[in-house]
Amino acid sequence: DVKVTQSSRYLVKRTGEKVFLECVQDMDHENMFWYRQDPGLGLRLIYFSYDVKMKEKGDIPEGYSVSREKKERFSLILESASTNQTSMYLCASSSWTVPYEQYFGPGTRLTVT
Amino acid sequence: SQQGEEDPQALSIQEGENATMNCSYKTSINNLQWYRQNSGRGLVHLILIRSNEREKHSGRLRVTLDTSKKSSSLLITASRAADTASYFCATDVGGSGNTGKLIFGQGTTLQVKP
Repeated sequence: DVKVTQSSRYLVKRTGEKVFLECVQDMDHENMFWYRQDPGLGLRLIYFSYDVKMKEKGDIPEGYSVSREKKERFSLILESASTNQTSMYLCASSSWTVPYEQYFGPGTRLTVT
Repeated sequence: SQQGEEDPQALSIQEGENATMNCSYKTSINNLQWYRQNSGRGLVHLILIRSNEREKHSGRLRVTLDTSKKSSSLLITASRAADTASYFCATDVGGSGNTGKLIFGQGTTLQVKP
């Protein structure tokens, strides 16, 4: 069965902290995505990666960076967390053969105080 | 601005009734998908319709696509309390190789009362 896991369901961090959100998929998918979801705004793409060590900016990359050292793992990094980064973060993956069918993790609800 | 605009933003119905939600988009698409999200969880893929298709069925779900109007609708028949969730449309506009980059709508929140 297809599985995407995220390291934490809930996370509370302080302003200025460096935050790592981890995502792991077990489907050997080439593509991986990070979204943030806010009420009334739907899902917005932060970054995506189409191969190991490859990354591309999405619609709202400011304040974020990513790392993909292994195929199954895609990390989202908040270099210096701010209160406006309080949100639900969703990771997804897809294959090159069916690239548009994305499989999502359960999400991490991050609160920055 | 969002590619997908969904209507209504919220819908409340009784169990057994049908639920219809709509999605409009702005640019040409390769396909359109609908996803469901239970409260506080990730999204689950429901159904995909390609740009050359007009209607598609999957169980109690029926999706229509009108490319001339740039709109799609999702119909859930004989709704159940377990259908309570948020529903999102997502469009694949192509042009990004194999990356499958999607643009999501803002979602419709459906409440089915027992």
